[in-house]
Order: sequence, then structure tokens, then C-alpha cells
Amino acid sequence: AQSVTQLGSHVSVSEGALVLLRCNYSSSVPPYLFWYVQYPNQGLQLLLKYTSAATLVKGINGFEAEFKKSETSFHLTKPSAHMSDAAEYFCAVSFPGGSYIPTFGRGTSLIVHP
Amino acid sequence: EPEVTQTPSHQVTQMGQEVILRCVPISNHLYFYWYRQILGQKVEFLVSFYNNEISEKSEIFDDQFSVERPDGSNFTLKIRSTKLEDSAMYFCASTHTGLAKNIQYFGAGTRLSVL
Repeated sequence: AQSVTQLGSHVSVSEGALVLLRCNYSSSVPPYLFWYVQYPNQGLQLLLKYTSAATLVKGINGFEAEFKKSETSFHLTKPSAHMSDAAEYFCAVSFPGGSYIPTFGRGTSLIVHP
Repeated sequence: EPEVTQTPSHQVTQMGQEVILRCVPISNHLYFYWYRQILGQKVEFLVSFYNNEISEKSEIFDDQFSVERPDGSNFTLKIRSTKLEDSAMYFCASTHTGLAKNIQYFGAGTRLSVL
């Protein structure tokens, strides 16, 4: 069965600092991996996705993530945090060729200090 | 940019009452989904719907729940007799077909509060 673990329910950074949100997955077949962002009072917005092409994936708002099969990881990074990045971030995994229904992690709340 | 819209944004109901949560998926999408997120917990899949029938459902989606596409634009989730534990954020999502199925577009959600 597929699963996703997000390390840290809260991550706090200063504005301008590196953002690193961790995600590890478990999947018996090569997965599709996603990061979604949820701003207050809004729905889930797709940040980026990995679908078996390039292992370094660039998304919106300056975020990127790298698929590392050996580490079963798909960590999300951004070189310099902005106040507007404060939100809830969800990692998700799905099976290609199946129903595509994603399994979500518990989410990580990113807090950005001035 | 087309988006999934959900109404209402917040629904308060008494335990035992029926509620209907409404969603308007993106117009050319063919697959529709409901998810829920209990406060502080994961986003959980409830049900998927294609070609006017349920294509997949989770263990959470019991006989208390039903879905319907009453017309060409709306997709609804009905909870027949709400329980306290149904209090959660409910998200609707839609996707296109083929490889585009792996990209789900979510609405802003309906917060259901059962008192």
C-alpha cells in the first residue's frame, strides 16, 4: 500500500531563509508524487508534480522538489522564504496507471517570521 | 483560469439532520471526487464519480453518504443523518481523462460543523 510521511507538523523560518519541507513515501511501484499548498480559507493548489520524467521538478512560486528513489524522498525546497509562503503544505502519492487517487500526508504548516 | 467552486463555504447543522454539499467542477472535466479533512488530520479520499456512477469509494463512504450529479454542472455530496464526527472540511475535486487524471483540481472546501 502507498503512504506518505511528512516530517514535522510545523516548520518555522525567517523571511529570506531556506525552506525545506520533508516528505518520504512508501510505494511498491514507481509513484507519482505531488506537493499541494493550502492558503487560509482556500482549496488545495498544485505546487508541483513528479511523473517519472526529470527528478528535479520546478513548481510555482519558486518552489522545487527532488525525487530521490534511493531515499524514497520528495522534499520541497525554496531558496528564500517570503511572508506570502505561509500556508499548509501537503505531500501526496498516487499510482500511475491506476485510479490516480492520491494519498495525502498529514500536512506541514509553514510559518514565516519577519 | 477555470476553477472548482463549492458552496456553502461553511455549513452548521444539528446532529441527525441531512446536509447537501454542492460543487461545480471544471466544465470539461469528467471525473469528480470528494475528500474530507478532519481538523488536524490528513486529507482522506471519500468517493470518485465517473459517467454518472461511483467508480471508487473508501471505507469512510458508508450508507450515510451519497453522491449525485443532478444536472450537467453540479456534483453533490449528501450526508443523510449527520453525526458529530462528520464535522470536517469537505473538498470537491475534478480531473480530465487519460494522463491528465493525475492532476486534481480542488475547490476551496466546505467546512461542516455538526452540533
